[in-house]
Amino acid sequence: GQQLNQSPQSMFIQEGEDVSMNCTSSSIFNTWLWYKQDPGEGPVLLIALYKAGELTSNGRLTAQFGITRKDSFLNISASIPSDVGIYFCAGQLGGANSKLTFGKGITLSVRP
Amino acid sequence: EAGVVQSPRYKIIEKKQPVAFWCNPISGHNTLYWYLQNLGQGPELLIRYENEEAVDDSQLPKDRFSAERLKGVDSTLKIQPAELGDSAVYLCASSRGGPITDTQYFGPGTRLTVL
Repeated sequence: GQQLNQSPQSMFIQEGEDVSMNCTSSSIFNTWLWYKQDPGEGPVLLIALYKAGELTSNGRLTAQFGITRKDSFLNISASIPSDVGIYFCAGQLGGANSKLTFGKGITLSVRP
Repeated sequence: EAGVVQSPRYKIIEKKQPVAFWCNPISGHNTLYWYLQNLGQGPELLIRYENEEAVDDSQLPKDRFSAERLKGVDSTLKIQPAELGDSAVYLCASSRGGPITDTQYFGPGTRLTVL
């Protein structure tokens, strides 16, 4: 099935550094979401974006909904060890079609 | 408020055996989803229920997979017979539902290993 494009597959950063991840799609979405998944757990919603151009923050996380509605980015500032995990972007058309289309995820490692 | 509950958390079976997974959504959530997550991939939707009605089952392999949500609350996903390629994590999610798209909350998943 269709998946969003996330790369690279893995990222390694030093504690305290900022990191940015982006996500692209060949088709438009009306909602963009970013989830984090820890080992053995289900994805947990970090940020939801509902409007093209929207910039939203949640603590050290900032995400933007691309103007073309085909991309989004997530920025984590001042990383800490508990930021380790897999970060997924997801797109949603909304309304009658609430299905989430996910990317393959980016595994983030934070060196103390 | 309790989250989405799934059981079992882990299941190991031999190929050709049947297997069933159970999900109890967050109380008051009318919409329930089953997703399949293969290793190294994001979740992919198998089926979506609005109350007891399956409104999107286009991605469910109906030759071996079945699902039910008889009373519009908890749900069961079944595979019969299981194949080696069915080894994956099966995630259940729920949302309030209705005309406005809302947040989906995921359970911890059931990790299936088919030997």
